[in-house]
Amino acid sequence: QSVLTQAPSASGTPGQRVTISCSGSGSNIGKNYVYWYQQLPGTAPKLLMSRNNQRPSGVPDRFSGSKSGTSASLAISGLRSEDEADYYCAVWDDALEVVFGGGTKLTVL
Amino acid sequence: EVHLVESGGGLVQAGRSLRLSCAASGFTFDDYAMHWVRQGPGKGLEWVAGINWNGADIGYADSVKGRFTIYRDNAKHSLYLQMNSLRVEDTALYYCAKDPTVTYTSGGVDVWGQGTTVTVSS
Repeated sequence: QSVLTQAPSASGTPGQRVTISCSGSGSNIGKNYVYWYQQLPGTAPKLLMSRNNQRPSGVPDRFSGSKSGTSASLAISGLRSEDEADYYCAVWDDALEVVFGGGTKLTVL
Repeated sequence: EVHLVESGGGLVQAGRSLRLSCAASGFTFDDYAMHWVRQGPGKGLEWVAGINWNGADIGYADSVKGRFTIYRDNAKHSLYLQMNSLRVEDTALYYCAKDPTVTYTSGGVDVWGQGTTVTVSS
């Protein structure tokens, strides 16, 4: 069971806006930066969002991140078929470890 | 271009040892902290261990503490994971990953290798 809680699945149709949530606590999301990763089928994860809402170079501006209190969200607008992947949130926890969410499998219908 | 290439994975019996290596290129290796992250078959990502830029500060997940040792050789641009007393539940794809800062406590990783597979049999 992960320290960070993510819904196991999400879905949307092309062009829609989808939001993936990550719920934590005061010892992790409440005080530290949240990172998001995209893992396409059969590939290594890729950094999608840094420090809550900073998009690395090359990540389309369709992706956006936010944080409020002990929760964080990743929003994908203008959903495309190539966005079908697993999405993970991660953060430093004051229990002295990096913690990952359980992952959300996004299906583009 | 930044590259991380893992090696050393394989099939091993429970209780035995294995050492993973990660060769880094394309960036100033000793300017950044590094991590090992694993992914069990059909499962999510799990942080294993992190090490700061000069090896002086290290952290481990509770699940591997006392059994695994992370270390680095900055002169060789290499990261290592010595895994002792392996268990069936350590079976996973092990990723070498670069931190965007000098300390492993940032919570983030900005570059991932392709991974090396470790299978522990009973």
